Amino acid sequence: GENVEQHPSTLSVQEGDSAVIKCTYSDSASNYFPWYKQELGKRPQLIIDIRSNVGEKKDQRIAVTLNKTAKHFSLHITETQPEDSAVYFCASFSGAGSYQLTFGKGTKLSVIP
Amino acid sequence: DAGITQSPRYKITETGRQVTLMCHQTWSHSYMFWYRQDLGHGLRLIYYSAAADITDKGEVPDGYVVSRSKTENFPLTLESATRSQTSVYFCASYELAKNIQYFGAGTRLSVL
Repeated sequence: GENVEQHPSTLSVQEGDSAVIKCTYSDSASNYFPWYKQELGKRPQLIIDIRSNVGEKKDQRIAVTLNKTAKHFSLHITETQPEDSAVYFCASFSGAGSYQLTFGKGTKLSVIP
Repeated sequence: DAGITQSPRYKITETGRQVTLMCHQTWSHSYMFWYRQDLGHGLRLIYYSAAADITDKGEVPDGYVVSRSKTENFPLTLESATRSQTSVYFCASYELAKNIQYFGAGTRLSVL
């Protein structure tokens, strides 16, 4: 089955700096890659996603890039703010009738004021 | 997000007891999922359901049972709870048109 590796597991940045979280996946049939943000004690919430026919997608301070050949995708957060502090999960989706998401183990991002 | 609710939000039980976690969604999404979240493991799929009366195992199904008699409900039962099942459990439903999975607020379960 699909395997998603996520790095780093923890990340601390100064407010205003950029943060990058990287994920790799194993199943070449995977075609959709969402990113979820989970604040402490809350549910995961979708913040951005990318499909396999697109190389990059941006939404304000957040961007995601995808390299299908290398099977990796990354989340980029620019001009980080304290409210960006949370756990971020990448995931991959291959469809194939089950619509399952395979999640990475998460990255705890701390933005230091 | 308000369309998917889990109950109870917190539960303490003892080893060997049966526990049922409830999940209800108002969107009529066909696909629903149960995950457990443990430190260092992220979100792991326990069971999923493609429609009423159709369920299948995920990555970590042992010790759990699910049913889906109605589209809107997807209960998860721990038939004989063990300490290793202490975890936070999330239910989710999937909107096919937008390709988005929505999560419930979670149930924090402690097995003593």
